[in-house]
Amino acid sequence: NAGVTQTPKFRVLKTGQSMTLLCAQDMNHEYMYWYRQDPGMGLRLIHYSVGEGTTAKGEVPDGYNVSRLKKQNFLLGLESAAPSQTSVYFCASSYKSRSGQTFGDTQYFGPGTRLTVL
Amino acid sequence: AQTVTQSQPEMSVQEAETVTLSCTYDTSESDYYLFWYKQPPSRQMILVIRQEAYKQQNATENRFSVNFQKAAKSFSLKISDSQLGDAAMYFCAWYDMRFGAGTRLTVKP
Repeated sequence: NAGVTQTPKFRVLKTGQSMTLLCAQDMNHEYMYWYRQDPGMGLRLIHYSVGEGTTAKGEVPDGYNVSRLKKQNFLLGLESAAPSQTSVYFCASSYKSRSGQTFGDTQYFGPGTRLTVL
Repeated sequence: AQTVTQSQPEMSVQEAETVTLSCTYDTSESDYYLFWYKQPPSRQMILVIRQEAYKQQNATENRFSVNFQKAAKSFSLKISDSQLGDAAMYFCAWYDMRFGAGTRLTVKP
């Protein structure tokens, strides 16, 4: 099993350009997440999905869009990149927690994508 | 706002010694999970240990254990017999996908 994979691993964009980051998981997880990690800070949640066809905003959603058309894939889009979006982006996936709960369990992370916006 | 706080930006420990990393959180929930993740220089995030709030017993995983004090909203990680490979950033995380700012652990040979 590959676990969680992210494409690409590195990317440099110019201000105003657009791009899509792809996350794929082969563990049949219901939940998927996109985070950004900036120096001196922990991970901050951008968007997440609790199932195929559903998405929800996290802590820092502005400037990003997401889609989950297939259970195994979660796409993160930047429509018009800005220098403030320079960061390392992590995707993660998890099972739903035990029956009766609405939150996710242990998250499994991809290797990250380093994005630089000039 | 519900937050996760790690008050120690950096810690160091001598190889084979014990170190404790602290984490506090703020919530009105009664049932939740708490996690410690490790991020070595490779950047890969790896689960260290997981605690379910309804369980009275503190979680343990080999050399790693937690001191979970629900009333005090404290969730500290104890690393026993520290090894050079334990050097990393450690993040406390809450079930609602909030992470602390991290503690950088250095292990001295």
